[in-house]
Amino acid sequence: SYELTQPPSVSVSPGQTARITCSGDALPNQYAYWYQQKTGQAPVRVIYRDIKRPSDIPERFSGSSSGTTVTLTITGVLAEDEADYYCQSADSSGAWVFGGGTKLTVL
Amino acid sequence: QVQLQESGPGLVKPSETLSLTCTVSGGAIRSYYWSWIRQAPGKGLEWIGYFHFSGNTNYNPSLKSRVTISVDTSKKQLSLNLTSVTTADTAVYFCARSPGSNDEGVDVWGQGATVTVSS
Repeated sequence: SYELTQPPSVSVSPGQTARITCSGDALPNQYAYWYQQKTGQAPVRVIYRDIKRPSDIPERFSGSSSGTTVTLTITGVLAEDEADYYCQSADSSGAWVFGGGTKLTVL
Repeated sequence: QVQLQESGPGLVKPSETLSLTCTVSGGAIRSYYWSWIRQAPGKGLEWIGYFHFSGNTNYNPSLKSRVTISVDTSKKQLSLNLTSVTTADTAVYFCARSPGSNDEGVDVWGQGATVTVSS
């Protein structure tokens, strides 16, 4: 079955830049999406179609894509950005898949 | 502003059927993809399946034999049936909406319903 691979954890200090990667063989042909999930809450979409940011998401969140890897970048990390982040995409049949999630720790 | 509210039994016995409902308020129902996504305790997100009125319904291959997702437009409700449950089906179950092109991801999530499978 198709899989998306994320690092289990990323740690940064406040004000630094956090980069979270997501790798999958179908990513050159399928859009990727990123969700932020804080403890006890439903996820929130922060990036869609690889690079687009919803209007209510701060500009410090951005997405990029290169080959089989997509990256979520948070520039100028704030303490409130500490959360789990999940990438999501689809395989060629349209079946969705989520990455395993990355825990972002703000030191 | 559209809101999604999951409801259903919080406790289901092994081998029985898990049934959940998601009520849609404040928005249309026909123009979107409707999904169920779950999260086992301490684990990541797992997609269960989606439904669209075009007939484009798709299920997670690992759950396909046990899952049915349907939508009742008159009640503005999305339903999930998962048969023959085991303790591995214990999770928070989210209903979710995706814009009709199915290439924008989930833009609205329900708050989630906790379901425990136990005798």
